Amino acid sequence: NAGVTQTPKFRVLKTGQSMTLLCAQDMNHEYMYWYRQDPGMGLRLIHYSVGEGTTAKGEVPDGYNVSRLKKQNFLLGLESAAPSQTSVYFCASSYSVGNEQFFGPGTRLTVL
Amino acid sequence: GENVEQHPSTLSVQEGDSAVIKCTYSDSASNYFPWYKQELGKGPQLIIDIRSNVGEKKDQRIAVTLNKTAKHFSLHITETQPEDSAVYFCAARGDTGRRALTFGSGTRLQVQP
Repeated sequence: NAGVTQTPKFRVLKTGQSMTLLCAQDMNHEYMYWYRQDPGMGLRLIHYSVGEGTTAKGEVPDGYNVSRLKKQNFLLGLESAAPSQTSVYFCASSYSVGNEQFFGPGTRLTVL
Repeated sequence: GENVEQHPSTLSVQEGDSAVIKCTYSDSASNYFPWYKQELGKGPQLIIDIRSNVGEKKDQRIAVTLNKTAKHFSLHITETQPEDSAVYFCAARGDTGRRALTFGSGTRLQVQP
């Protein structure tokens, strides 16, 4: 049981490049989330999904897109990376909205 | 939307002492309040949570208290140990709208041996 896994662990991009972060969970959870973590600002919700084929905007969605084509996977895309998107990105999943969220190990992204 | 404030941002205690971290929230409809611990280089992990129908919950050395009237909740760690050193986050979940968790800004706890 791997829990929540994230790919890649580290990435460096140049301004304007695009990339996709992959999150996978093997707990059959309905809910999945993408957060970004910046110093002194805690975890901020980017987008989330309440089930396969559904996505919704969180607190800071601008500049990001997501897709949930399969229940176990949640993809976060950056179409045109900006230095302001330098951050650590965490994916999480939960059985329902009121249950424990299980977090992945994070992806450290640097945009030059 | 919900706003969660957390204090202090850093906390240093001697091994064996108690540590208290406090959070306030803005949405009176919030009904779920988890606490997460994040060790260096890892994702946050749930350590305890409380729902709005109880005022206090304990699990060994950790406890959480909730005051719905004042809209604040606190994490208490007793008999601290060096392995308690980490960043702690509080969070709150509202009962309307997005119903997702809103996190506090985190408290870095350092337990001095």
